Amino acid sequence: KAGVTQTPRYLIKTRGQQVTLSCSPISGHRSVSWYQQTPGQGLQFLFEYFSETQRNKGNFPGRFSGRQFSNSRSEMNVSTLELGDSALYLCASILGQGPGEKLFFGSGTQLSVL
Amino acid sequence: AQSVAQPEDQVNVAEGNPLTVKCTYSVSGNPYLFWYVQYPNRGLQFLLKYITGDNLVKGSYGFEAEFNKSQTSFHLKKPSALVSDSALYFCAVRDDKIIFGKGTRLHILP
Repeated sequence: KAGVTQTPRYLIKTRGQQVTLSCSPISGHRSVSWYQQTPGQGLQFLFEYFSETQRNKGNFPGRFSGRQFSNSRSEMNVSTLELGDSALYLCASILGQGPGEKLFFGSGTQLSVL
Repeated sequence: AQSVAQPEDQVNVAEGNPLTVKCTYSVSGNPYLFWYVQYPNRGLQFLLKYITGDNLVKGSYGFEAEFNKSQTSFHLKKPSALVSDSALYFCAVRDDKIIFGKGTRLHILP
C-alpha cells in the first residue's frame, strides 16, 4: 500500500498570503488528523476528520481551517499568513478507532513564511 | 483536560548503555498512551502503545515502555542504546484526541 502523501513538500509564502496543503491518506483509511510541528512547541493538534466530518479541533485561530473529501483526501488552509505560522505541518492517516487505533504520518509540508 | 509532558529536551547516552526517555501524562479515565519516533526530514513512526494489561509494553527496534499509574508516567526504555537510535521521540496520549508532548531529542554517543 502507498503511504501517506502530503503535497507540496516545501512551500515559501509571504505574510498576508494564504496557503492550502493537501494530504492523501492510506487507501481505506477514513480518518485524518493534522498537526503543526515547531521546535519550541513540539506537535500541536489542529483538526481531526472522519468521513468528511470534523470530529475534533485544536486551539488554533479561525485562520486555520480544513476539510475532507469523499475520497478521504484532506486539505488544510491557512489564511492571512503570519511569520509564526512557519512550521512543519504533518498529516496522519488513522487506522481503526479506540484501542486498536494507529496513526501513520506523512513526511509533512515545510511552510516558511517570509 | 488531557496533557502530556516530556521534562527533558535532550538526553545523551553512550552507545551500549541503557536509555530512558521520560513522559508523564494527565487524562481523565483510562489512558491510551503511545511513543513515536521521528528521524530527520521524516514523519513520525509508531514505536509502541499501552492500552491495558501488562505495565511493560514491548515495541519496535528493541524499545519498551513502563506504565506506572500511581506516578502517571510512561517512560520509554531500551537496555542497550545504538547510535542509530539517535532521533526525536514523542510521547502521546489519547483522550478525545491524540495529544503529543514537545519531544525529547535523544543523542547516542559512539
